[in-house]
Amino acid sequence: DTAVSQTPKYLVTQMGNDKSIKCEQNLGHDTMYWYKQDSKKFLKIMFSYNNKELIINETVPNRFSPKSPDKAHLNLHINSLELGDSAVYFCASSQEPSVGTDTQYFGPGTRLTVL
Amino acid sequence: AQSVTQLGSHVSVSEGALVLLRCNYSSSVPPYLFWYVQYPNQGLQLLLKYTSAATLVKGINGFEAEFKKSETSFHLTKPSAHMSDAAEYFCAWGYKYIFGTGTRLKVLA
Repeated sequence: DTAVSQTPKYLVTQMGNDKSIKCEQNLGHDTMYWYKQDSKKFLKIMFSYNNKELIINETVPNRFSPKSPDKAHLNLHINSLELGDSAVYFCASSQEPSVGTDTQYFGPGTRLTVL
Repeated sequence: AQSVTQLGSHVSVSEGALVLLRCNYSSSVPPYLFWYVQYPNQGLQLLLKYTSAATLVKGINGFEAEFKKSETSFHLTKPSAHMSDAAEYFCAWGYKYIFGTGTRLKVLA
């Protein structure tokens, strides 16, 4: 049983396209996150949702729109993809509301390549 | 600005040798500090975390870290490296979800 799962694992697309990445957690957690890891392994938080409500939005371009249909799912939709969006995107979840003190459980990542 | 600094982007040790990965934090609030490990092509998983209960924190796979307020450090150690420890290690500050730039540990046979 995978705790935090993401689909797809790999995504290759052309500049200007729109794509989505899906994330699901079966841990019963209240909070979910999206992170971007660049080619130098630098990991930066993008969004955080608590019980379907946006808590953190870290100066991410508005081409990125998270959507949380329920507290077990947090999807990431990206419009008008750019070369700089190429990265590995990680979904994560934690039990507690976003106070940053709780352990985060990460998905396996989605490697996005924009050509 | 609050930050987490990991000294050494690459560390190589011989199998059986001591592992020391360095993390310093810059914070004016009580830190909630974490060490995560990332194996190739996988997500991050928790090694250990400091939440002010005890300064010496023991984690999984024989790793431990000591919180030293006077040095603003939270270095990760393991007495004897194993080949399976080869991975990327991240120190993180919980309050702002700030991650260090990572240290790649290589274990030499």
